[in-house]
Amino acid sequence: NAGVTQTPKFQVLKTGQSMTLQCAQDMNHNSMYWYRQDPGMGLRLIYYSASEGTTDKGEVPNGYNVSRLNKREFSLRLESAAPSQTSVYFCASSYEKLFFGSGTQLSVL
Amino acid sequence: QQQVKQSPQSLIVQKGGISIINCAYENTAFDYFPWYQQFPGKGPALLIAIRPDVSEKKEGRFTISFNKSAKQFSLHIMDSQPGDSATYFCAASINQGGKLIFGQGTELSVKP
Repeated sequence: NAGVTQTPKFQVLKTGQSMTLQCAQDMNHNSMYWYRQDPGMGLRLIYYSASEGTTDKGEVPNGYNVSRLNKREFSLRLESAAPSQTSVYFCASSYEKLFFGSGTQLSVL
Repeated sequence: QQQVKQSPQSLIVQKGGISIINCAYENTAFDYFPWYQQFPGKGPALLIAIRPDVSEKKEGRFTISFNKSAKQFSLHIMDSQPGDSATYFCAASINQGGKLIFGQGTELSVKP
């Protein structure tokens, strides 16, 4: 029982490059989320998916897209990475409480 | 607009002391107030949570105090231990959903 698994753990991109962050959960939760964590800002919600087949914008969605591939998987895509997207990204799933993955540290140069 | 404000930003406490972290919120529709603990290189993990129908909740050495009229809540860690050294986040949401609004975080260091 791995919980919420994120890949990769670390990534360095050049400005303008694209990449997809992968997330999978094995807890059979309907709801999944993507947060970003920046120093002094706490965690901010990027996108969420209340159930398979639905996605909605969170607090800071600009520059990101998401795909809820199935009940287990929820991916986050950066189409054209910018230095402002340098952050630690956390995927989470929830049933009564939020369970977080261990994060992806992304640097955009 | 920061809907949940957390203080202090950092805190140093001696082993055995009491650690106190405070949060204030603006949206009166919030009805779920969790605290998360995060160790370096890990994701946040739920520590304790409270709803506004009670003024205090205690789980072991951890207590949440809630003041609805002041729109404030706080985390108290009794008998603080070096293993409690971590970053703590308060948060708030409506209907206990996963759409949490987080505070800025407090880095706690407990000295032996």
